[in-house]
Amino acid sequence: DARVTQTPRHKVTEMGQEVTMRCQPILGHNTVFWYRQTMMQGLELLAYFRNRAPLDDSGMPKDRFSAEMPDATLATLKIQPSEPRDSAVYFCASGAGQGAYEQYFGPGTRLTVT
Amino acid sequence: AQSVTQLDSQVPVFEEAPVELRCNYSSSVSVYLFWYVQYPNQGLQLLLKYLSGSTLVKGINGFEAEFNKSQTSFHLRKPSVHISDTAEYFCAVTFSGGYNKLIFGAGTRLAVHP
Repeated sequence: DARVTQTPRHKVTEMGQEVTMRCQPILGHNTVFWYRQTMMQGLELLAYFRNRAPLDDSGMPKDRFSAEMPDATLATLKIQPSEPRDSAVYFCASGAGQGAYEQYFGPGTRLTVT
Repeated sequence: AQSVTQLDSQVPVFEEAPVELRCNYSSSVSVYLFWYVQYPNQGLQLLLKYLSGSTLVKGINGFEAEFNKSQTSFHLRKPSVHISDTAEYFCAVTFSGGYNKLIFGAGTRLAVHP
């Protein structure tokens, strides 16, 4: 049963600390997306990659957020320094491309910044 | 540019009653349409999708949706809901060449009461 995995599932940190979230897309999928979900803003697209290359990261606050794909099996989202307003659930999703348009979501990382 | 409007933010319904969750989209090109469900503290799960062919598509858990091009709608229906259908439902759209990037609606919270 192929699934997107995310670690950690929960993270509590203090303001100013660095946070790294990891995502393992479904094997063979060539597009990866990072979303943030909050009660106030709903679901927001932060960044996405195709074949490991960033296509669009306009949804990310550039001064503190960065997203990378070191290899095809790992995507990372880093926040440095973290702020209380970054508290949210962060989802990773992957897609197969090549005419398959749906995305498959991971379980999310719930981040709390105090 | 594509956009998605979910006309109801909340839909309360009694168990075993029928339900319709409404979704309208805006696009100048051909689109592909999706419904996702999010149960509490989980990621989004694909319910069903319309890519081409029959305008009535069936998904998991007894849900179905009908693509209406003239009305630019993709409403989700279920003839008899269960308590376990209580969740947030998201309509999404993408288009050919969109690199799997989905445009999501704001979500509809379905609350099924006994």
